[in-house]
Amino acid sequence: QVQLVESGGDLVKPGGSLRLSCTSSGFSFSDYYMSWVRQAPGKGLQWISYISSSSSYINYAESVKGRFTISRDNAQNSVYLQMTNLRVEDTGVYYCTRDGDYRPDLWGQGTLVTVSA
Amino acid sequence: QSVLTQPPSVSGAPGQRVTISCSGSDSNIASKSIHWYQHVPGAAPKLLIYTNNQRPSGVPDRFSGSKSGTSASLAISGLQSEDEADYYCALGHDGLNGPVFGGGTKLTVL
Repeated sequence: QVQLVESGGDLVKPGGSLRLSCTSSGFSFSDYYMSWVRQAPGKGLQWISYISSSSSYINYAESVKGRFTISRDNAQNSVYLQMTNLRVEDTGVYYCTRDGDYRPDLWGQGTLVTVSA
Repeated sequence: QSVLTQPPSVSGAPGQRVTISCSGSDSNIASKSIHWYQHVPGAAPKLLIYTNNQRPSGVPDRFSGSKSGTSASLAISGLQSEDEADYYCALGHDGLNGPVFGGGTKLTVL
């Protein structure tokens, strides 16, 4: 079954850290770029970061640059998002996406991150 | 504030046809491909239309996309209750930055 499953979301205090994981199945993970996209409460979708198939190309949205780090382990068919110095405005559902032809073409169900004192 | 502008909401009765617009500029929609996503709250978003007007396998032909100049549109014909969702237009990666999403449109089936 072709799918992405995110995990690691939690309630964390401002300034705290969290590591999200996304595990894939059913397709050749190492062939694809992967991204993280989030949705703040009541808001739309916002791209956060992408990583190329071999980890050679990585980029971040300005709002998370310097605080978030994306990585992947092709042997484990997984992509990760290390989040540090979390802010209240980082609250939201975080989705992992598979990017085919430079567009998200498969999404996970998401994992909820809540940053609150 | 996204560079892609969508109406906040649209509505239609079962069986009707609705369109959702996505407005941009010469530097984005006019020169790049537009993709559309359907997001039922609580579920995984789904790619509905790619490269302006292509449907992934499994997407009913009730859904169609078009693009002209600096605007794109998603049309849904024969509205069904299960079409009630949020719909997003998007630009794909540009080799430097990641995807850009419109603000989203909530479709209500009356």
